[in-house]
Amino acid sequence: KAGVTQTPRYLIKTRGQQVTLSCSPISGHRSVSWYQQTPGQGLQFLFEYFSETQRNKGNFPGRFSGRQFSNSRSEMNVSTLELGDSALYLCASTDPGTGATISTDTQYFGPGTRLTVL
Amino acid sequence: AQKITQTQPGMFVQEKEAVTLDCTYDTSDPSYGLFWYKQPSSGEMIFLIYQGSYDQQNATEGRYSLNFQKARKSANLVISASQLGDSAMYFCAMRVGNTPLVFGKGTRLSVIA
Repeated sequence: KAGVTQTPRYLIKTRGQQVTLSCSPISGHRSVSWYQQTPGQGLQFLFEYFSETQRNKGNFPGRFSGRQFSNSRSEMNVSTLELGDSALYLCASTDPGTGATISTDTQYFGPGTRLTVL
Repeated sequence: AQKITQTQPGMFVQEKEAVTLDCTYDTSDPSYGLFWYKQPSSGEMIFLIYQGSYDQQNATEGRYSLNFQKARKSANLVISASQLGDSAMYFCAMRVGNTPLVFGKGTRLSVIA
């Protein structure tokens, strides 16, 4: 199976602009999670989608939003970019099985999108 | 709240030797999953090994094994016969129920020839 793909891989934007990042999960995986990784804050959870519904949301401002489509592909959007949004954005997919409990489900990550805000 | 602690910011190991990366966790929930990931300089997070809280035996995957000590709440990663390609950041992570995956701050492993 093909792995998780993320596009674009690199992105340079200026403050105030908006950006949309895309993630295609492993075929058959219905859950997608997004993370932000910075040297100072480490890996921080943004949101998780399962069957087009947001299941979990991290502690990020409303400028960060996401969605999932019926084919499980997901996008995240950041509006009014700030310098501090410069980071590696990682997407992960998993197949939650019955969805009853997901603590045992392994998340498989994509290569990430490296966003630089100037 | 769940928490993962990795106390070793950086470690060095000689090629072909074994190395242990420490991870302690904190949760009051009896059901949880513990994961280790490797992140090379390219940025991609590579899944290495998983241990469930109810698993009786320590998990192993090739050269990777997880030393799971439930009473001490530790889940150390052991890499046997280190290779130069093992040089990377290593993250311990935990998931409890339907809550998000929580990561530690990571350990940078450098393998020396």
